[in-house]
Amino acid sequence: DIVMTQSPDSLAVSLGERATINCKSSRSVLNSSNNKNYLAWYQQKPGQSPKLLIYWASTRESGVPDRFSGSGSGTDFTLTISSLQAEDVAVYYCQEYYATPMCSFGQGTKIEIK
Amino acid sequence: QLQLQESGPGLVKPSETLSLTCTVSGGSITSSTYCWGWVRQSPGKGLEWIVSKYYSGRTFYNPSLKSRVSISVDASKNQFSLNLNSVTAADTAVYYCARHYADVNWFDAWGQGTLVTVSS
Repeated sequence: DIVMTQSPDSLAVSLGERATINCKSSRSVLNSSNNKNYLAWYQQKPGQSPKLLIYWASTRESGVPDRFSGSGSGTDFTLTISSLQAEDVAVYYCQEYYATPMCSFGQGTKIEIK
Repeated sequence: QLQLQESGPGLVKPSETLSLTCTVSGGSITSSTYCWGWVRQSPGKGLEWIVSKYYSGRTFYNPSLKSRVSISVDASKNQFSLNLNSVTAADTAVYYCARHYADVNWFDAWGQGTLVTVSS
């Protein structure tokens, strides 16, 4: 099984500032046959279901604001919110899907306003 | 606009079977493009994928739950259902139905979730 570990567990950021969340997988999720990283990011606001933000580690889902970006490869990934807005307060999860349809999620990172 | 809606009992007794149904609207459950699955979320274990099923019949299980899980599809009602037997308190969670593409398991559509508590 691939274990996903996020850091930090929580993060307080001022409005308009950058927020960075890290996600590390216990083994590589890079498929060498297609050079794609099998990594997605989700946003979950209080009382809501998770919402897909990014897949293939860096491809934004349709309708997701461009202040959200994903980067990384292999075992180390980052979700960046370039300018935090009030509506971005949420818990963010990474997910690997290397052995699709089997998958696993990180434990989540809570973003709050400083 | 695709919508998924879970339904089922919110309270299940220990050792009994948890049964939930997901009703899909705005899209067909028979599409070969997609796979239909269940994910749960508990305070202790976070998000946990349970099972995914292609309409064609192929089913994939989380190995840790495989012995207790079954999933079925009712195309006439555009629904799919989850059964989890021999439940314990550890199965208390919010259960989500969700959709992913047939060949990649990122979930692009989710139900609102339903809390199931296992307690006598």
